[in-house]
Parts: sequence; structure tokens; C-alpha cells
Amino acid sequence: KNQVEQSPQSLIILEGKNCTLQCNYTVSPFSNLRWYKQDTGRGPVSLTIMTFSENTKSNGRYTATLDADTKQSSLHITASQLSDSASYICVVSRVGNTPLVFGKGTRLSVIA
Amino acid sequence: DAGVTQSPTHLIKTRGQQVTLRCSPKSGHDTVSWYQQALGQGPQFIFQYYEEEERQRGNFPDRFSGHQFPNYSSELNVNALLLGDSALYLCASSPSLMNTEAFFGQGTRLTVV
Repeated sequence: KNQVEQSPQSLIILEGKNCTLQCNYTVSPFSNLRWYKQDTGRGPVSLTIMTFSENTKSNGRYTATLDADTKQSSLHITASQLSDSASYICVVSRVGNTPLVFGKGTRLSVIA
Repeated sequence: DAGVTQSPTHLIKTRGQQVTLRCSPKSGHDTVSWYQQALGQGPQFIFQYYEEEERQRGNFPDRFSGHQFPNYSSELNVNALLLGDSALYLCASSPSLMNTEAFFGQGTRLTVV
């Protein structure tokens, strides 16, 4: 079954600290993996997109990793800011025109 | 360059009523997908439109229907609303049918009372 599991479900960190969010997937055949940031009540915004051959991709303070062999991805946030408080959703695409497979997201709260 | 726009942003309806949500895709995009996102959950795929036809459909009842217009904009219609239909409805557009890069609108928050 094509599934995306994310952990932790929620996370609270102090401003300025780093954190890492995890994503495990069983989607196949794999095409690409994206991390989205979703503010409460808003639409998701893409942070990174990674294909099978890419191991690491950065976007400012966000760094995503992908291990296609173990079907795991992580999103590392460096020097967190209050504005990083949001849900982070891992989304996996299959080859061909098939629906995206979404994780349930990790709810991150950054506090002062 | 306008991104994906959805209207209205918020909506309150009574059980049993019908609702129409609207979406204009990002400029240059011709494929539109609709998602339902319950509170605290990831988006659930409803259906996808391309060339004014429904191309794929998720596990949603026939009460959920849609349409795509020649200008690529799209509508989501929900009939006989249930309390459980309360959710954030997201529209996403893609550059083409085989390009899965999805750009999302800000969503329409539907509350059924």
C-alpha cells in the first residue's frame, strides 16, 4: 500500500534551536519527494523537491535529505525562527499520472 | 504572475445544502486537482481535471463533482452537505498532466452547521 508516515506528530522547540523531521514512505514506483510548509488555514508551500538520484537539497535554513534505498527522508531546520511554526508535510509522487501521496504532517511550534 | 487563487476563502453552509468552490490555476498550468484536508490531517485527493475532463478520482462519493472550463479554471461542487464535509478544500495546479509539481492555493475553509 502506498503510504507516507511522518514523525514526530508534533514538536515544540525554542527559537534558535535546530530540529529534524522524519518521513518514511512505501510509495512505488518512486518519482520524487517534496516537503511542504503549511501555515494554519493556508495552502501548502513547496520547500524542496528531490528525485531518486538526489541525496541532499537545501533551501535557506531548510535542508532535506533522501535515502532512496531505505525510503526515508528528513527535513532539518537550522536556527529556527518563530515564523517556522507550521505543519510540515512530506509528499511523494509515483511515476506516471497518479495522485500524490501525502503524509499527515508534523506540527512544529517554535517558542521564544 | 498570479499563483493559484481560490474563492471564497471562508464559507458556512447548512447541512443538506449545496456548495460551489472555485479555483484559478497558476498562469501556464492546465491541470487542476482538488483536495480535502480535515483538521490535523494531510490532504486527501478528490479528483483531477485536465482538458475539461475528470482524469482521476479519489475515494469520494458522487456528491462531490467538478468541472473545468476552457480557460483551465475549475469548480468543485458538493451536494447534500454533511457535517463531516467541514474541512479546508485545497486546489492545486500543475504545468501539465504528467508533471506532478503541484502549486497550491490558499484554500477554502468550509464549515457545515
